[in-house]
Amino acid sequence: NAGVMQNPRHLVRRRGQEARLRCSPMKGHSHVYWYRQLPEEGLKFMVYLQKENIIDESGMPKERFSAEFPKEGPSILRIQQVVRGDSAAYFCASSPSQGFDTEAFFGQGTRLTVV
Amino acid sequence: QKEVEQNSGPLSVPEGAIASLNCTYSDRGSQSFFWYRQYSGKSPELIMFIYSNGDKEDGRFTAQLNKASQYVSLLIRDSQPSDSATYLCAAYSGNTPLVFGKGTRLSVIA
Repeated sequence: NAGVMQNPRHLVRRRGQEARLRCSPMKGHSHVYWYRQLPEEGLKFMVYLQKENIIDESGMPKERFSAEFPKEGPSILRIQQVVRGDSAAYFCASSPSQGFDTEAFFGQGTRLTVV
Repeated sequence: QKEVEQNSGPLSVPEGAIASLNCTYSDRGSQSFFWYRQYSGKSPELIMFIYSNGDKEDGRFTAQLNKASQYVSLLIRDSQPSDSATYLCAAYSGNTPLVFGKGTRLSVIA
């Protein structure tokens, strides 16, 4: 049973480009959470999705950021027109049911560098 | 604003000593608390969770919760150099995603 898979592991984008981060949850998990971690900072919640639904996007910036979790395929976090301040590690976690509990596991993260 | 506060450290302890990591939280509605360990450049991994007031032991780790004081701690007995990492405290209130502190960096000196 594979864990939470994120790709790419490392992503370099020039300012103004788009970044697309993918997260495949663990088998049997239909709930996905995206967190961002800036250097020397804790994890900040961005968005919580279930299949085809955004449940809570209160932590996601209103502009340039969007997320989806389609019926088929991975969850995607999209950042348009990236800026240097978007450089961070983006972690995805999945759980089998509503609520982030002991059944939730993190992926290895995508480290985005904007140059 | 729901917040979880941790001393950023670094906390340095000699090998074999007890490391004590502390955390406070602002939301009295928080129901459960988690301790994650994160090695540099890696993802967080869950090491302990606690729901009830008092102590919970798992091997060398003991989590302590005091809801009246809104205080959570993690004790690591017989600290090893391999325990050197950042420890993240997180609180869960049941209707919001997990809220994390900034983490405490622990360094165990051989």
